[in-house]
Amino acid sequence: AQSVTQLDSQVPVFEEAPVELRCNYSSSVSVYLFWYVQYPNQGLQLLLKYLSGSTLVKGINGFEAEFNKSQTSFHLRKPSVHISDTAEYFCAVGGNTPLVFGKGTRLSVIA
Amino acid sequence: DTGVSQNPRHKITKRGQNVTFRCDPISEHNRLYWYRQTLGQGPEFLTYFQNEAQLEKSRLLSDRFSAERPKGSFSTLEIQRTEQGDSAMYLCASSPGVAGTDTQYFGPGTRLTVL
Repeated sequence: AQSVTQLDSQVPVFEEAPVELRCNYSSSVSVYLFWYVQYPNQGLQLLLKYLSGSTLVKGINGFEAEFNKSQTSFHLRKPSVHISDTAEYFCAVGGNTPLVFGKGTRLSVIA
Repeated sequence: DTGVSQNPRHKITKRGQNVTFRCDPISEHNRLYWYRQTLGQGPEFLTYFQNEAQLEKSRLLSDRFSAERPKGSFSTLEIQRTEQGDSAMYLCASSPGVAGTDTQYFGPGTRLTVL
């Protein structure tokens, strides 16, 4: 079975500061990892995904994530956040099986 | 821009009533997914279609739930004899190919409230 743990339910951060949203996964099959963002009253939008190859994945809006197999982690980072990054972020594992999402991390950017 | 659309956006119903939701995927997308999201949780997979074939159903999809995608285009999700525990956001997503690793594009969801 596959599962995802997002270690922080809420992360407040000041504007222009860096941020890391943590994600750990468990999977007994090939690992495909995703980060989605959900803005208020909108559908989920893919930020980035790891399928294979380079462990550092760059996504939209300046986000990146690093796949770490030994630590079973796929943390999301951004060097400088903006007010517009305030949203809910979901890590997911899957691909050949239906996506399994974590509970989400609410990122609040403070001016 | 013709993204994934879902109707209605909100539905309030009384316990025991039947409800039906519609999802229109992005044109020519082969796969269509249904998820359920409750407060404080991530989306949970319910079922998915590849064209008109329903390929997988979650254990979450009780006998009161049924989904169809009759012509491989739009899909409907029906809940019979609704219960208060069915209150949730129902999300639809579509993807272009037949690989599970294809990006899924989500609609805005239908929020169901069962009184």
